[in-house]
Amino acid sequence: EPEVTQTPSHQVTQMGQEVILRCVPISNHLYFYWYRQILGQKVEFLVSFYNNEISEKSEIFDDQFSVERPDGSNFTLKIRSTKLEDSAMYFCASSEGQGAKPQHFGDGTRLSIL
Amino acid sequence: DAKTTQPPSMDCAEGRAANLPCNHSTISGNEYVYWYRQIHSQGPQYIIHGLKNNETNEMASLIITEDRKSSTLILPHATLRDTAVYYCITLWGGSNYKLTFGKGTLLTVNP
Repeated sequence: EPEVTQTPSHQVTQMGQEVILRCVPISNHLYFYWYRQILGQKVEFLVSFYNNEISEKSEIFDDQFSVERPDGSNFTLKIRSTKLEDSAMYFCASSEGQGAKPQHFGDGTRLSIL
Repeated sequence: DAKTTQPPSMDCAEGRAANLPCNHSTISGNEYVYWYRQIHSQGPQYIIHGLKNNETNEMASLIITEDRKSSTLILPHATLRDTAVYYCITLWGGSNYKLTFGKGTLLTVNP
């Protein structure tokens, strides 16, 4: 069964450094998302992406964050200057279409900021 | 999207049916009911969704009341691997499809 894959599974970065989290969505999907989950807290929406542009973003998704679909298969989340509070699990998801089509999630990247 | 209410935790014996309730009394006519689960710290796993009719797939059944104000997720024969946090989420079909996760129900399947 097709799945969303994320790399790396664990990323350790010094505070202030840039980090890029990578995702390969399911191949025929058109909508892409990033969520995050701080340890012990709820899963939170960050951003949705469709037709090469951001559809919606949350308050968390400030100027330090950006997303890109550099080619036909990858979807990336960049954090420009990481802070300690960016430490979290980051989940990528993709869906075929609108609300009637489910989002499928990857297993996440654990980001640890030192 | 409508707010949902779920019990914080439930227990179930292995091999028995697990029935997980969810209240969504403010749901609107074009909002779907979605169920996801999260096993340990893995990514949320899609289980099932529905609009008005009851739905069944290889993982579970979804029973939605006629007034659509509540629903029940049924795992027909729970196994130890079904121990997870289960999330009931409503999602408008025409929205930008962001999922709003609550705290969910921690289902513990006991041997």
